[in-house]
Amino acid sequence: KAGVTQTPRYLIKTRGQQVTLSCSPISGHRSVSWYQQTPGQGLQFLFEYFSETQRNKGNFPGRFSGRQFSNSRSEMNVSTLELGDSALYLCASSLVAPVDYNEQFFGPGTRLTVL
Amino acid sequence: GNSVTQMEGPVTLSEEAFLTINCTYTATGYPSLFWYVQYPGEGLQLLLKATKADDKGSNKGFEATYRKETTSFHLEKGSVQVSDSAVYFCALIRDDKIIFGKGTRLHILP
Repeated sequence: KAGVTQTPRYLIKTRGQQVTLSCSPISGHRSVSWYQQTPGQGLQFLFEYFSETQRNKGNFPGRFSGRQFSNSRSEMNVSTLELGDSALYLCASSLVAPVDYNEQFFGPGTRLTVL
Repeated sequence: GNSVTQMEGPVTLSEEAFLTINCTYTATGYPSLFWYVQYPGEGLQLLLKATKADDKGSNKGFEATYRKETTSFHLEKGSVQVSDSAVYFCALIRDDKIIFGKGTRLHILP
């Protein structure tokens, strides 16, 4: 069974641009969560989607948005990029809504560098 | 608010040494507690968990005990291996939201 895949693995953008990251969950998984990982702030929860609906949201500005498609694939978009958006963006999937998070499977991440 | 504090790394040990990575938390009520591990170039993997006071989670020789009185969930292993080199994250779940510590990088020398 294939794991969680994220594309692209690496991305370089400049300030002011926008970026879209993609996450394909494990087949059959309906919940997808996104996290931002930085050396200074560690891992921070962005949002979670379940059956195409955003169920939970972290404390990030509106420049960060996401969506989930009917096949459970998810995309995350960041508009008007800032230098501080440079980070590893991790996606995790679970079979159902991750109420207790013990069944979340993480992808390898997309490393975004903003110049 | 809810938070997790981990000891800062990097932690460098020789193979077969005893490992402790400290983790303390602040939360209302009784959160579930977790340790995740991130190997180089990979995403996070759940290492162990505990859902109530005095529970002990264990996996791959690692263990951690949920201590309500000291609000701690320290990770321990009796004899580390080079393959344990990774970043370890302590986390809690409360009100359906997961909060991670900043991670502790562990280097094991052969």
